[in-house]
Amino acid sequence: DVKVTQSSRYLVKRTGEKVFLECVQDMDHENMFWYRQDPGLGLRLIYFSYDVKMKEKGDIPEGYSVSREKKERFSLILESASTNQTSMYLCASSSRPEREKLFFGSGTQLSVL
Amino acid sequence: AQSVTQLGSHVSVSEGALVLLRCNYSSSVPPYLFWYVQYPNQGLQLLLKYTTGATLVKGINGFEAEFKKSETSFHLTKPSAHMSDAAEYFCAVGGAGANNLFFGTGTRLTVIP
Repeated sequence: DVKVTQSSRYLVKRTGEKVFLECVQDMDHENMFWYRQDPGLGLRLIYFSYDVKMKEKGDIPEGYSVSREKKERFSLILESASTNQTSMYLCASSSRPEREKLFFGSGTQLSVL
Repeated sequence: AQSVTQLGSHVSVSEGALVLLRCNYSSSVPPYLFWYVQYPNQGLQLLLKYTTGATLVKGINGFEAEFKKSETSFHLTKPSAHMSDAAEYFCAVGGAGANNLFFGTGTRLTVIP
């Protein structure tokens, strides 16, 4: 069964901490995405990557960065966490031929105190 | 520019009743349209998609949706609701060559026994 795995289901951090969210996919997909999900706002794209070492800003990149050193792994970094970054973070991947068919991880609920 | 609007953040139906979840889109290019479903504590999974061709598309678990260009709509239906259909449903729009999807704010479906 295909899988997108996010390293933590729940995470609690303090304001100002550097936070790493990790995502690994086992489908050899070229494209990987980070979304945040907030009630009433749906999913908003933070960053995406269509190849190793490539990255593109999504709709809300401010306060975030990403890293993609290997094809299967896409990391989201909060350089200095703030309370307004408390959210559910969803990682997704897709293949180049079917880039719109996203496979999602089960999410990381991040609380910044 | 692309966007979707989902009418109704919460919908309740009785078990066995018709399910109708509404989605209207805006797109400056021929749209690709999607419905994703999110069960509790899980990531999103693809229910169905429209890219080109037949405007009535069938998905998993008995769901279907019809692309109506004149109404800029892509409503999701199921003839008879089942308890296991209780979830949050997201409509999304993309396009040929697009790198990402734009998601709606979601509709939470409750099924009443």
